Amino acid sequence: GESVGLHLPTLSVQEGDNSIINCAYSNSASDYFIWYKQESGKGPQFIIDIRSNMDKRQGQRVTVLLNKTVKHLSLQIAATQPGDSAVYFCAEKAATGRRALTFGSGTRLQVQP
Amino acid sequence: DSGVTQTPKHLITATGQRVTLRCSPRSGDLSVYWYQQSLDQGLQFLIQYYNGEERAKGNILERFSAQQFPDLHSELNLSSLELGDSALYFCASSPRGTQNEKLFFGSGTQLSVL
Repeated sequence: GESVGLHLPTLSVQEGDNSIINCAYSNSASDYFIWYKQESGKGPQFIIDIRSNMDKRQGQRVTVLLNKTVKHLSLQIAATQPGDSAVYFCAEKAATGRRALTFGSGTRLQVQP
Repeated sequence: DSGVTQTPKHLITATGQRVTLRCSPRSGDLSVYWYQQSLDQGLQFLIQYYNGEERAKGNILERFSAQQFPDLHSELNLSSLELGDSALYFCASSPRGTQNEKLFFGSGTQLSVL
């Protein structure tokens, strides 16, 4: 069934354009951040992660930027493809304690052919 | 395929009933996490087990319980079900190690309480 029916913010881009998905977090003790992609009817799928001792990390067609000063995380997708259409979640975890990953509310990315 | 297996994929039941959701983690993973994804609340952490023991607790209701067995599979038990319990329930597992943050999710169990 439909995996997410939230009233999510939606980012609509043209195929081939670059996409930027933003995420704000509130816990200044968070030291690990991760992006997941969730397609309809599937579980969240790992995209890329970053630790707080870095401000940028690149993967294949994806880049994560971390700005700890303003507690902001972004995911950049280069040359967006129709297969990138999904809901994207950021998640964070603190270094201490036994907290599990805490997820943001998600952004729906729609890629127009 | 993440390697995490969840059964059943769909479950339809009535209010007041009790159900059990099952999860098999990736081979070698010791940690199992349960998350609930509902229409208005996103992904909410319920509970974590590590090698059979409860490790962390999130927003899990008292009507819900979980356990992890010696073979590392886990079950989430939901009782006295209410309409509001209708949601997708995900299990995730993480690799060995002290910094096991990266979670691998199963495909979820869609629970519908009628």
